[in-house]
Amino acid sequence: AQTVTQSQPEMSVQEAETVTLSCTYDTSESDYYLFWYKQPPSRQMILVIRQEAYKQQNATENRFSVNFQKAAKSFSLKISDSQLGDAAMYFCAYGLQGGSEKLVFGKGTKLTVNP
Amino acid sequence: DTGVSQDPRHKITKRGQNVTFRCDPISEHNRLYWYRQTLGQGPEFLTYFQNEAQLEKSRLLSDRFSAERPKGSFSTLEIQRTEQGDSAMYLCASSGQVRGGTQYFGPGTRLTVL
Repeated sequence: AQTVTQSQPEMSVQEAETVTLSCTYDTSESDYYLFWYKQPPSRQMILVIRQEAYKQQNATENRFSVNFQKAAKSFSLKISDSQLGDAAMYFCAYGLQGGSEKLVFGKGTKLTVNP
Repeated sequence: DTGVSQDPRHKITKRGQNVTFRCDPISEHNRLYWYRQTLGQGPEFLTYFQNEAQLEKSRLLSDRFSAERPKGSFSTLEIQRTEQGDSAMYLCASSGQVRGGTQYFGPGTRLTVL
């Protein structure tokens, strides 16, 4: 069974600084995709970034980028120029390209942004 | 473009009562998912529909839980004889026609069982 581990229950960063959130996963599959979702307090979960496992190039979305290391099964999220609005729970998720269409989530990392 | 909507947003019920939640996916999405999220945890998969067909169910979905998507549009999740352990956020997500498409989440229904 696939598992996703987020080893940092909480992280904090100063406004305008850079922070990296860690995620590792366990799978025996070769074709899959990975996500980072953001869940602000009492608000719905929104997609931050998506990475297909077959792509060697790391995905980027404005201030958000990932470091995808397929062999190490690592998928970290870097947030540059942190803003107060980035404060949220961040969830790493794994999805299989074939077979089950469910997403498997980690337990999340709570990010605090200090002014 | 309206997103995924869920109703109600909050539900408080007494143990033993039945509850039903509704999810309206993004209009052109044919895939619909239900997840459950307890405090301090990530969402856990419950079940998945493609159009009106329920294609996958988690072992978490006990026989007290039933989900339907009768016309391939909105979906309902019913919990019978609720237990305190059912207290959680119930999330609905939808994705488009392509397999492996990004899942977009609704705001969730927070269930409290007293």
